[in-house]
Amino acid sequence: DQQVKQNSPSLSVQEGRISILNCDYTNSMFDYFLWYKKYPAEGPTFLISISSIKDKNEDGRFTVFLNKSAKHLSLHIVPSQPGDSAVYFCAARRGDDYKLSFGAGTTVTVRA
Amino acid sequence: GAGVSQSPRYKVAKRGQDVALRCDPISGHVSLFWYQQALGQGPEFLTYFQNEAQLDKSGLPSDRFFAERPEGSVSTLKIQRTQQEDSAVYLCASSLVAGESEKLFFGSGTQLSVL
Repeated sequence: DQQVKQNSPSLSVQEGRISILNCDYTNSMFDYFLWYKKYPAEGPTFLISISSIKDKNEDGRFTVFLNKSAKHLSLHIVPSQPGDSAVYFCAARRGDDYKLSFGAGTTVTVRA
Repeated sequence: GAGVSQSPRYKVAKRGQDVALRCDPISGHVSLFWYQQALGQGPEFLTYFQNEAQLDKSGLPSDRFFAERPEGSVSTLKIQRTQQEDSAVYLCASSLVAGESEKLFFGSGTQLSVL
């Protein structure tokens, strides 16, 4: 039972433009959300997070937006750079839990 | 070491064979997780250790899967009588404190192929 869904398996964007990655969740108990980035042959690395008490969190070129009523979050990368080409995983957990539920990932390709 | 180390990097097993996957977490990290990532899917939780105590094994798919961390550092995930559906990347992750998902460090994984 997939509680976190990333419905776009891939995204191609031109360098310098915005990348928008989407994620939906079904478990209303989730209150903490994270994005991880994964390069080939490496493990996922933490990118950015957001608590359910916020609707936006920004870190440099990366911004995560949370819409609790829609159970939807998105990651914006502006401007996109070639080094951003990777698989991006959306993940969620309950605040008192340690387990993460992951989406299937979105492969981002940034074209020069 | 500088990061979480997993070995072997690749493992090919014949169906029915037993395998053992090793994880060396970051030194001093209390929490250790195992996740299973099937092809085209996101990682799925298998089990969690706090030091040597296995506090949660609810994600282990069957009793053929067994994990241990006897001295609170290195962990081994053992799969007995492997089946084709066990083919996946097995990721180990560690953190200093449980629940610090921002500071959860993953290894590169062991890719298991069961023929």
